Amino acid sequence: EVQLLESGGDLVQPGGSLRLSCAASGFTFSNYAMSWVRQAPGKGLEWVSSISSNGGITFYGDSVKGRFTISRDNSKNTLYLQMKSLRAEDTAVFYCASMVRGVIRGAFEIWGQGTKVTVSS
Amino acid sequence: EIVMTQSPVTLSVSPGERATLSCRASQSVSSDLAWYQQKPGQAPRLLIYDASTRATDIPARFSGSGSGTEFTLTISSLQSEDFAVYYCQHYNNWPPRWTFGQGTKVEIK
Repeated sequence: EVQLLESGGDLVQPGGSLRLSCAASGFTFSNYAMSWVRQAPGKGLEWVSSISSNGGITFYGDSVKGRFTISRDNSKNTLYLQMKSLRAEDTAVFYCASMVRGVIRGAFEIWGQGTKVTVSS
Repeated sequence: EIVMTQSPVTLSVSPGERATLSCRASQSVSSDLAWYQQKPGQAPRLLIYDASTRATDIPARFSGSGSGTEFTLTISSLQSEDFAVYYCQHYNNWPPRWTFGQGTKVEIK
């Protein structure tokens, strides 16, 4: 079964840091570009970041550029999102997702169940 | 920046009826458009990509159409499990960017 399982969400103070993980199983992770998408409470979906299958190319949304870093470890079938300088407006459920056809464009095919990040003092 | 606008915000439909959801792009996006379904407390699920291609295991009652700036998601005969929020999404070719519409809630009439 194809599965993505996020972890690492927590309550963190403004200005703090957090690292999210996304463990993949059931497919050849190293062949797929991956992304992070977030959803603030009661709000819509917002693309955060994407990374190519080999990790060599990364892209970020304007709201997180310079603060978040996406990475992956294909030997561990795991995607990461390092977040620093967190703000209250970063409070959201963060989803990881694999890309249709594995390429770093197109739709988000498989989604994890999400991990909740709360930024508050 | 391309803006995706969905209408209506809320759609009230009786089970068995057809539902038609619209998504408009502020400029042409060719066929680079996807539709997602999200139920409360769940992750989104991909329904349609490339404007009209059904994703794996998506029932045939879901269909997508359109190109350029106007897109439609049609649910031919609403089932109880179809009441949810639906999002359209544009994926830009280069540089890659992904932009979602604000969503349409399909509720029971």
